[in-house]
Amino acid sequence: TQLLEQSPQFLSIQEGENLTVYCNSSSVFSSLQWYRQEPGEGPVLLVTVVTGGEVKKLKRLTFQFGDARKDSSLHITAAQPGDTGLYLCAGVEGSSNTGKLIFGQGTTLQVKP
Amino acid sequence: DAGITQSPRYKITETGRQVTLMCHQTWSHSYMFWYRQDLGHGLRLIYYSAAADITDKGEVPDGYVVSRSKTENFPLTLESATRSQTSVYFCASRTGGGNQPQHFGDGTRLSIL
Repeated sequence: TQLLEQSPQFLSIQEGENLTVYCNSSSVFSSLQWYRQEPGEGPVLLVTVVTGGEVKKLKRLTFQFGDARKDSSLHITAAQPGDTGLYLCAGVEGSSNTGKLIFGQGTTLQVKP
Repeated sequence: DAGITQSPRYKITETGRQVTLMCHQTWSHSYMFWYRQDLGHGLRLIYYSAAADITDKGEVPDGYVVSRSKTENFPLTLESATRSQTSVYFCASRTGGGNQPQHFGDGTRLSIL
């Protein structure tokens, strides 16, 4: 089974600061997804990156897939209290047709006003 | 409302008892998944199903049984609950290939005393 190491596991910052969350593996994934989870709810997909080197932006969130498709990062610019939550990266294991998701441990983000 | 629903939301039971967690989706998605979420481990796949009557083991299947007689339902049974199975359980569904988003229910918080 492939493994995904996510860091940091916990991040507490002030409103307006920037931050980056990393997701690393020694294995290649066919694609990688980022989810956000609120307390008491299931994860919700933010983005899927498929191509090595791909960069996707979602308002103040920037997602990058490594050139070798082994790692990814999530950068948040000018964080706001509404960004607080658990961020999970998940790699698609196996073929893109039938692949299962392998999740990182998650990063709990707290943005203080 | 259309979507994916889990029941019950909360369950307390004793060791040795059988308990079944229910999952129902209204999208007719082919794939369905069961995960458990524990602190420090992210989401770990228990079982998944590619279609009705087709199920397969995930990363942590021991102690769990699944069935899928209808496309929309995917119950998870703990045949003889143990304290190590205390966790939050999430059901998810997906249409098509592995790059498609997984849609999660809101989870069942299970405590085994």
